[in-house]
Amino acid sequence: DGGITQSPKYLFRKEGQNVTLSCEQNLNHDAMYWYRQDPGQGLRLIYYSQIVNDFQKGDIAEGYSVSREKKESFPLTVTSAQKNPTAFYLCASSIASTDMYGYTFGSGTRLTVV
Amino acid sequence: DAKTTQPNSMESNEEEPVHLPCNHSTISGTDYIHWYRQLPSQGPEYVIHGLTSNVNNRMASLAIAEDRKSSTLILHRATLRDAAVYYCILNDMRFGAGTRLTVKP
Repeated sequence: DGGITQSPKYLFRKEGQNVTLSCEQNLNHDAMYWYRQDPGQGLRLIYYSQIVNDFQKGDIAEGYSVSREKKESFPLTVTSAQKNPTAFYLCASSIASTDMYGYTFGSGTRLTVV
Repeated sequence: DAKTTQPNSMESNEEEPVHLPCNHSTISGTDYIHWYRQLPSQGPEYVIHGLTSNVNNRMASLAIAEDRKSSTLILHRATLRDAAVYYCILNDMRFGAGTRLTVKP
């Protein structure tokens, strides 16, 4: 079955360490997105990519970095510059960035920084 | 910031219809209206989307106002499994806090 895989489901890191969250899709979707969700809050857009080797900052990109070397993969690195990295991270994809199509979400990675 | 506004929470009884409202007064002519729902510790799940006409699928119906400044997600018979946070978003993929739906047995 096609879908989006985020791994790991739970991730623990020490403060000051960079950590990379994985997002892989086999839907042949062009566009991919990263969101952050804090308890009781909606989703906030971190980065998005409409095509391979290109990506744009979302609303809260500071302290994060991404790459899009392959269509299927859009890893997110949470750097030590991110002041409050503990959160639930969600990856999504869509056929294209044009908006008549729906978006498919992964099941998320819960990052805890201690 | 999200360009949609929704009530923070709603309650429904099991097997009764539920109408979840969404206001999007600044919607543009090319904006689709998308609805997603999210269970705890899971990613959002697509529910339905539409542009101008009302839409139906196996999960729900979407009623869109003639001026497109508001829409309503209709769950025809709520079940306990429908308890979730429901998000109404436009093309910019900005999510607000959504509506937390509680379904009472």
